[in-house]
Amino acid sequence: DTAVSQTPKYLVTQMGNDKSIKCEQNLGHDTMYWYKQDSKKFLKIMFSYNNKELIINETVPNRFSPKSPDKAHLNLHINSLELGDSAVYFCASSKGRGYEQYFGPGTRLTVT
Amino acid sequence: GQQVMQIPQYQHVQEGEDFTTYCNSSTTLSNIQWYKQRPGGHPVFLIQLVKSGEVKKQKRLTFQFGEAKKNSSLHITATQTTDVGTYFCAGRTASKLTFGTGTRLQVTL
Repeated sequence: DTAVSQTPKYLVTQMGNDKSIKCEQNLGHDTMYWYKQDSKKFLKIMFSYNNKELIINETVPNRFSPKSPDKAHLNLHINSLELGDSAVYFCASSKGRGYEQYFGPGTRLTVT
Repeated sequence: GQQVMQIPQYQHVQEGEDFTTYCNSSTTLSNIQWYKQRPGGHPVFLIQLVKSGEVKKQKRLTFQFGEAKKNSSLHITATQTTDVGTYFCAGRTASKLTFGTGTRLQVTL
């Protein structure tokens, strides 16, 4: 059983479109995260939720909106996609803030 | 804000050579974690160091946390092709975990 899963694995779309990425964890963790990894491999935290409550919201354009329907799920919706949004997006979860994180397989988003 | 830098950014070694990556934080950390990301894969947790001056070993990997709890290192002895990937440190403060810039290791025969 996959601990942290993401769908889709690949997403190719045109500029201006709206898309969503879904994440689920079956580890019973309280905290979930979204990271963006660019072509230089830098891992940037975007959002973090603890028990469905937003606790970290880094400087991310308003076009990105996370939603956590329950503790096990954290989705990411992106409006009006831009070329610069092309990256790999990782979901992760942890027992709590600051504990080791378990990452999903990533979603490679390509905006053309 | 808090910054965590790693050097080198990239290193290419011959199999059997040693490798070290260094991690430096702009602020004092409560702990440091290390992750490995294989090419095309996702970051995987390796280890956590908590105490000042702590040293931990995992087979050929040696992890060290600095006395001032602002820096750390990962040393790999006698690298193998299976060590290829990007190594990230991640420094924890009270509020969050900040990932370092990463060191990409390439190992050739």
